[in-house]
Amino acid sequence: AQSVTQLDSQVPVFEEAPVELRCNYSSSVSVYLFWYVQYPNQGLQLLLKYLSGSTLVKGINGFEAEFNKSQTSFHLRKPSVHISDTAEYFCAVSDRDNYGQNFVFGPGTRLSVLP
Amino acid sequence: NAGVTQTPKFRVLKTGQSMTLLCAQDMNHEYMYWYRQDPGMGLRLIHYSVGEGTTAKGEVPDGYNVSRLKKQNFLLGLESAAPSQTSVYFCASSSQGGRTDTQYFGPGTRLTVL
Repeated sequence: AQSVTQLDSQVPVFEEAPVELRCNYSSSVSVYLFWYVQYPNQGLQLLLKYLSGSTLVKGINGFEAEFNKSQTSFHLRKPSVHISDTAEYFCAVSDRDNYGQNFVFGPGTRLSVLP
Repeated sequence: NAGVTQTPKFRVLKTGQSMTLLCAQDMNHEYMYWYRQDPGMGLRLIHYSVGEGTTAKGEVPDGYNVSRLKKQNFLLGLESAAPSQTSVYFCASSSQGGRTDTQYFGPGTRLTVL
């Protein structure tokens, strides 16, 4: 079965510094990859997704992620973070066309942006 | 357009009590899902529905039941609550349920079972 690893459970970073949140997934023939963000006391919302084509995917709020098939990774980056980026970030993988059971979520990375 | 809403936002139960969580969506989505979120474990799928009148089991269905009598509503029931069911519950919906489809999440229900 597919699995998703987010190596960092917590990432503190100062405002305006760059950040990278790591995501690795177990190998599969073909995968679709997603990053969701959960702001405090809210539900998850989609940041970006990789379906095909360019391996560099741009999302909302200045985030981008790069799909690396050989390293089975989909790391999320932002060149300059803001206080408002403080949230929990979830990587998710879809590798089966089995309705309703498509997504496997990682355990999440809590990003704390410090002033 | 409210998106996905969940009722209630918070609930405290005693072991053995029952309750129902309500999820409603106004996007005319076919697919709806119930997840639970536990620290360090991400989201795990409890049950899902591919359309009105249908339900199916997800990864962790034991102790829960669901119903989808109307397309816009998806109910999650706990017949006899246990402390292991203390969690944050999220409802989500998607248009087509495929591998590439975006899921839209509600704000969550925080349930504590004493």
